[in-house]
Amino acid sequence: GQQLNQSPQSMFIQEGEDVSMNCTSSSIFNTWLWYKQDPGEGPVLLIALYKAGELTSNGRLTAQFGITRKDSFLNISASIPSDVGIYFCAGLSPANAGNNRKLIWGLGTSLAVNP
Amino acid sequence: DAGVTQSPTHLIKTRGQQVTLRCSPKSGHDTVSWYQQALGQGPQFIFQYYEEEERQRGNFPDRFSGHQFPNYSSELNVNALLLGDSALYLCASSFLGLGYNEQFFGPGTRLTVL
Repeated sequence: GQQLNQSPQSMFIQEGEDVSMNCTSSSIFNTWLWYKQDPGEGPVLLIALYKAGELTSNGRLTAQFGITRKDSFLNISASIPSDVGIYFCAGLSPANAGNNRKLIWGLGTSLAVNP
Repeated sequence: DAGVTQSPTHLIKTRGQQVTLRCSPKSGHDTVSWYQQALGQGPQFIFQYYEEEERQRGNFPDRFSGHQFPNYSSELNVNALLLGDSALYLCASSFLGLGYNEQFFGPGTRLTVL
């Protein structure tokens, strides 16, 4: 199925460092979502972006909706051990007839934090 | 307020068998979406149910079918299981009135096909 280009694939950082990851697409999206998934759990929504150029923060997390509507990035500042997990981006395509919109997912960025 | 719940947590089946997975949405939600997540991959959309009807479908064969009940809970059925069906199956619920965006996921059902 269709997937977004998410990078990097994995990161190994020291506690306290900042982290940046991004997603790109060849298609335009109306919404960008960032999720975090812990082992054995379902994804948890971190940040939702609804407008091109929008910059939104959630604690130490900041995400931006690219102005071209084809990309988004997520930053984590001052990482801590509990930030470990897999981060997914997901894009929501524009509505077609009958509101046929689908969430398209990236392959994830695996984050490891060394205390 | 219970979040999205799924059962069973784990399941082991053999090729050719049939399986039924269950999902109860978050309280107040009326829409259920099902995803398949293979190891190391992002979730792949299977289908979405609203008002007891399948509203959208991803690129999955007819062996994958579902149902939504009047209480908004949902089942995912997979017939004639293949080894490649081994995956984590995720259910996500949302309230259509708030738009499609705010999806809340359950913990998933880990299906292993031997």
